[in-house]
Amino acid sequence: QLQLQESGPGLVKPSETLSLTCTVSGGSISSSSYYWGWIRQPPGKGLEWIGSIYYSGSTYYNPSLKSRVTISVDTSKNQFSLKLSSVTAADTAVYYCARQGEAVAGRGYNWFDPWGQGTLVTVSS
Amino acid sequence: SSELTQDPAVSVALGQTVRITCQGDSLRSYYASWYQQKPGQAPVLVIYGKNNRPSGIPDRFSGSSSGNTASLTITGAQAEDEADYYCNSRDSSGILFGGGTKLTVL
Repeated sequence: QLQLQESGPGLVKPSETLSLTCTVSGGSISSSSYYWGWIRQPPGKGLEWIGSIYYSGSTYYNPSLKSRVTISVDTSKNQFSLKLSSVTAADTAVYYCARQGEAVAGRGYNWFDPWGQGTLVTVSS
Repeated sequence: SSELTQDPAVSVALGQTVRITCQGDSLRSYYASWYQQKPGQAPVLVIYGKNNRPSGIPDRFSGSSSGNTASLTITGAQAEDEADYYCNSRDSSGILFGGGTKLTVL
């Protein structure tokens, strides 16, 4: 059974860089069928897609965050990572990683399944 | 940029049928997927694509689409279905999520 687990600091100072890692177990991150994504949820609010990566290293990002986001993959460790620079209090959120399926034939669609349990990152001095 | 719009809150009587909707221009070109999120838990995929249910999701959950609107229908809502529901879709720029609908089962 595929499982994902986020890890990283729970507290980051304003203007610094948030760094998180997602470790995938029970399957290979190098599967040709899936992307791997990061999604966040501010306390009491909805979900926001941050960006996604393919095992080859190909990425695409939310245009509203693109200037501050870097997602990378380490296939040897079965991990992918998120870096978000110049953080402010508005970046305080639960950060989730998830496997992302994509169907591109005909009327396309994507889905996220499974998700990690999420990790709360607070931006505060 | 594109958006996905959901009603903030919907209620349903126990055992009745409820439809949760998601509207957006991207839904004319792409199917939606739907997630259930209970307090303190990660979202769980319940419907993806035209009307596909992951293993373990009860068949009372179904999806449909018409024009710029995607719908999640729960036929015979149970107390355990009380949760937040989010739609998601693609658009030309990336991936979108709706704002979420809080479902109350009365």
